[in-house]
Amino acid sequence: RKEVEQDPGPFNVPEGATVAFNCTYSNSASQSFFWYRQDCRKEPKLLMSVYSSGNEDGRFTAQLNRASQYISLLIRDSKLSDSATYLCVVRDTGRRALTFGSGTRLQVQP
Amino acid sequence: DAGVIQSPRHEVTEMGQEVTLRCKPISGHNSLFWYRQTMMRGLELLIYFNNNVPIDDSGMPEDRFSAKMPNASFSTLKIQPSEPRDSAVYFCASSFSLSSGNTIYFGEGSWLTVV
Repeated sequence: RKEVEQDPGPFNVPEGATVAFNCTYSNSASQSFFWYRQDCRKEPKLLMSVYSSGNEDGRFTAQLNRASQYISLLIRDSKLSDSATYLCVVRDTGRRALTFGSGTRLQVQP
Repeated sequence: DAGVIQSPRHEVTEMGQEVTLRCKPISGHNSLFWYRQTMMRGLELLIYFNNNVPIDDSGMPEDRFSAKMPNASFSTLKIQPSEPRDSAVYFCASSFSLSSGNTIYFGEGSWLTVV
């Protein structure tokens, strides 16, 4: 079983739609969680950290459910520029480096 | 501010040749990471350093791969001899520390093709 699992997609949605991605992680000792965004042929970039209480940044909302070991990302009012691959990322207490999911691809269509 | 700088950006080499990838982390960052990305396996951690010391190299695929960090501003990842299956994008990343809240910042990657 992979440490971090995501639905690869692609999710094809029209502009203005709301879309949600989920991610599950296997290590209950994981302590930090992030969403990264990766555009085609570019490096991953931090989108937002995920806090236990949930957090929002503009059109983006991230949630963490420690009991079920999953993380979610909600994007409201999708823009064409949101088209990218969204990577779920976890850091555990033992291995300090970040472990990446394989990503969920989003394509927002006009 | 300069981000993580990697070189070369693109390299095409023949099987059996030595490949050296270079990385300059963000100034002031104490942790450095090497990742490899392929379509099949996604982003995989190869090795990471803290204060120039290798902490975990369990992701290095085999003895053909080696990494060094001689000082706080420079690291290399070497493949010798290279094989076609090493073709991938190699990302270097850095962070201020290994503390849980610290995120990491990636360079633009080195695109390696071994023919």
